[in-house]
Amino acid sequence: EAQVTQNPRYLITVTGKKLTVTCSQNMNHEYMSWYRQDPGLGLRQIYYSMNVEVTDKGDVPEGYKVSRKEKRNFPLILESPSPNQTSLYFCASRLASSYNEQFFGPGTRLTVL
Amino acid sequence: GQQVMQIPQYQHVQEGEDFTTYCNSSTTLSNIQWYKQRPGGHPVFLIQLVKSGEVKKQKRLTFQFGEAKKNSSLHITATQTTDVGTYFCAGPGVAGGTSYGKLTFGQGTILTVHP
Repeated sequence: EAQVTQNPRYLITVTGKKLTVTCSQNMNHEYMSWYRQDPGLGLRQIYYSMNVEVTDKGDVPEGYKVSRKEKRNFPLILESPSPNQTSLYFCASRLASSYNEQFFGPGTRLTVL
Repeated sequence: GQQVMQIPQYQHVQEGEDFTTYCNSSTTLSNIQWYKQRPGGHPVFLIQLVKSGEVKKQKRLTFQFGEAKKNSSLHITATQTTDVGTYFCAGPGVAGGTSYGKLTFGQGTILTVHP
């Protein structure tokens, strides 16, 4: 089944404790992206990757890191999480062109205390 | 940078009433996509519009792309309780530009349907 998977689905952590949210897709998509969703703000893009070893900032990249060492994986790293990073995070992927639909993962609900 | 504004933020309707959400971009778009997110779920792609003035229908849903390719709308005829959710529009960055990989979403319209 074609899908985007994320882990963990739920995470409660404390300020400053490094964490990684994994994202994997099995559709051989070149493009992958991370979004955060907050009430009233919709989906805001954090980082995206056009291909392996090619990443770029979205609209809200501060406090986040990403890497794209393999085509299928695009982990989101929070080196020192802060409470304002409490949010619902979605990973998404699509074929290369912006004319292709994006497929979203199930989401990761992160709480930083 | 590119901004995509969506209105209204909330819409409460009685089952059977129509519903429309509007999307406006600060820049001309190469295409616009619409997504639906059910409560507790993830966004799911509905449709993509590419041509100026394009109109597409999916059963009770009608999607329009403005002539100037800066605005779009989603209209649902005779809403049903299954239409409940948040509807988002999204527009890509300019092809060939530094923001090409970006996808900017509107804030979304939360639709509630009362039976």
